[in-house]
Amino acid sequence: GGIITQTPKFLIGQEGQKLTLKCQQNFNHDTMYWYRQDSGKGLRLIYYSITENDLQKGDLSEGYDASREKKSSFSLTVTSAQKNEMAVFLCASSNTGGAEQFFGPGTRLTVL
Amino acid sequence: AQSVTQPDARVTVSEGASLQLRCKYSYSATPYLFWYVQYPRQGLQLLLKYYSGDPVVQGVNSFEAEFSKSNSSFHLQKASVHWSDSAVYFCALSIPGGYKVVFGSGTRLLVSP
Repeated sequence: GGIITQTPKFLIGQEGQKLTLKCQQNFNHDTMYWYRQDSGKGLRLIYYSITENDLQKGDLSEGYDASREKKSSFSLTVTSAQKNEMAVFLCASSNTGGAEQFFGPGTRLTVL
Repeated sequence: AQSVTQPDARVTVSEGASLQLRCKYSYSATPYLFWYVQYPRQGLQLLLKYYSGDPVVQGVNSFEAEFSKSNSSFHLQKASVHWSDSAVYFCALSIPGGYKVVFGSGTRLLVSP
């Protein structure tokens, strides 16, 4: 089996600050995803990556950048943190597109 | 566009009772379908998946789901729930050959003693 690690677990930033969230997987999966989960709600796709150095925008990409420099890692940057985007950010990976996804434990973002 | 609807935001059942969580999808052909569970302060874990074939699929922890093309549904069932089943359950859909996965809004299950 494998594991997905997300760092940090908790991220506190100031409004307007640039913040970076990191995700590592050791499944050797090609596809990786970033989702945002607002309190008590479903998941919304921010970015996904089909392979190393590939980036695809999801439905919620405005205000975010992503980077996939290695197959095993996928970073997400909040370009200018806003108070209304306090949420949990979930990273996931899958072996092929559309297949079952494996999720990390999440990074909880708080903006002061 | 594809969509997934979970009509029940919250469901409460007594321990030992049977359970059905509803999921309806919108897609013109047969999609891949999934049920995930999320325990507090954790990521999502796969319960079961349907790609093709037998419409009844078995999952972990005695959960099963039935795919119905005529009803565009993929309801989750369990014969006898345990207090540890209390969690949020998400139904999800993907298109064969595609990359995006569409999630429902989730159903919070509370199992009372």
